Amino acid sequence: GAVVSQHPSWVICKSGTSVKIECRSLDFQATTMFWYRQFPKQSLMLMATSNEGSKATYEQGVEKDKFLINHASLTLSTLTVTSAHPEDSSFYICSASLTSFSEQFFGPGTRLTVL
Amino acid sequence: RKEVEQDPGPFNVPEGATVAFNCTYSNSASQSFFWYRQDCRKEPKLLMSVYSSGNEDGRFTAQLNRASQYISLLIRDSKLSDSATYLCVVTVGDYGGSQGNLIFGKGTKLSVKP
Repeated sequence: GAVVSQHPSWVICKSGTSVKIECRSLDFQATTMFWYRQFPKQSLMLMATSNEGSKATYEQGVEKDKFLINHASLTLSTLTVTSAHPEDSSFYICSASLTSFSEQFFGPGTRLTVL
Repeated sequence: RKEVEQDPGPFNVPEGATVAFNCTYSNSASQSFFWYRQDCRKEPKLLMSVYSSGNEDGRFTAQLNRASQYISLLIRDSKLSDSATYLCVVTVGDYGGSQGNLIFGKGTKLSVKP
């Protein structure tokens, strides 16, 4: 299957700081990328969907001004958690697909801990 | 009511056992169905799609009952390496599309013991 990487794999930051997470499709061009969040013992929840060159579409309840998504190229999408707080601590996973109708390939995830 | 509900686990079984996972979904407009597996602190990986006619992949058999909005996964002759959390996933609309986002269940944890 296709390979998707995420960086960093884990990050610890102080409350109030911003954290950027990168998602890259390494061997294919991803028209669509998705960002999920998973709290302990909970299901993966879709946060937003981004198409290259367009504004991201956010799911209900996800603050677009807090979770900034940029999908400027076909191989890179970034998620910036602005002014992070302890309740933002979670496992953030991206996925990428060739088209919006294709199989999603998941990145290895980024574990964020906000102190 | 949650959109995708799964058996509460964990399931602890000996090697060689047959184990079945069940899943129900609430949205009758759901169109695509999948089982993923997720290892501890890792990303989910697609195990198999689920078709109305039922489908098999080696030791894994998936069934779908649209009338009951019920999906199942059967693992035969379980191996130690099958230990993971199994996620039931559905989409509404085209798979992966903006109107077909993946909706995950919480997962059922399987632990296969020697």
